[in-house]
Amino acid sequence: DTAVSQTPKYLVTQMGNDKSIKCEQNLGHDTMYWYKQDSKKFLKIMFSYNNKELIINETVPNRFSPKSPDKAHLNLHINSLELGDSAVYFCASSLPGVTEAFFGQGTRLTVV
Amino acid sequence: KQEVTQIPAALSVPEGENLVLNCSFTDSAIYNLQWFRQDPGKGLTSLLLIQSSQREQTSGRLNASLDKSSGRSTLYIAASQPGDSATYLCAVSGGSNYKLTFGKGTLLTVNP
Repeated sequence: DTAVSQTPKYLVTQMGNDKSIKCEQNLGHDTMYWYKQDSKKFLKIMFSYNNKELIINETVPNRFSPKSPDKAHLNLHINSLELGDSAVYFCASSLPGVTEAFFGQGTRLTVV
Repeated sequence: KQEVTQIPAALSVPEGENLVLNCSFTDSAIYNLQWFRQDPGKGLTSLLLIQSSQREQTSGRLNASLDKSSGRSTLYIAASQPGDSATYLCAVSGGSNYKLTFGKGTLLTVNP
């Protein structure tokens, strides 16, 4: 029974397209995150939502728009994809400051 | 701004050795510190969580320590096995938004 699940696992798309990545957690956590892992494997936070409200936006281009329909879901929509957006995107959830963060398996996005 | 450094960047040891991975962070105002494992092409698996009030946590052959005042943590792996080969990531949670700040990881290879 997967705790944090992301779809799709792989995404290959052309420059200029718009794409979405979905994330769901069944842990009952209040807070969900999106992290980006670049080609050098460095993980950096992009967004955080707490109970459907945006609490972190780490200078991410406005082509990236997170959407949280409820506290169990946090989707990431990317407009006008660029080559530099190629990376692995991880969704995570936690009870912040209290519990460990659980991560999804990642979505490998390749923009060609 | 919190910065997390992991040393060494890579480590290769023969099977059966005990080893220590190091993590340091610049801002001691943290809620907790978490050690993760990442296998190639996979997501992050949480290994140990140490709350800021704790000094260490143990799970099986793993022991993590935390010295918050000096901004340091170590992950001790006893009797290493080839299956321990992976990238080990250290992350600290802090600030008003509890975000996780990651180090760049230590790539561990355990040779049979």
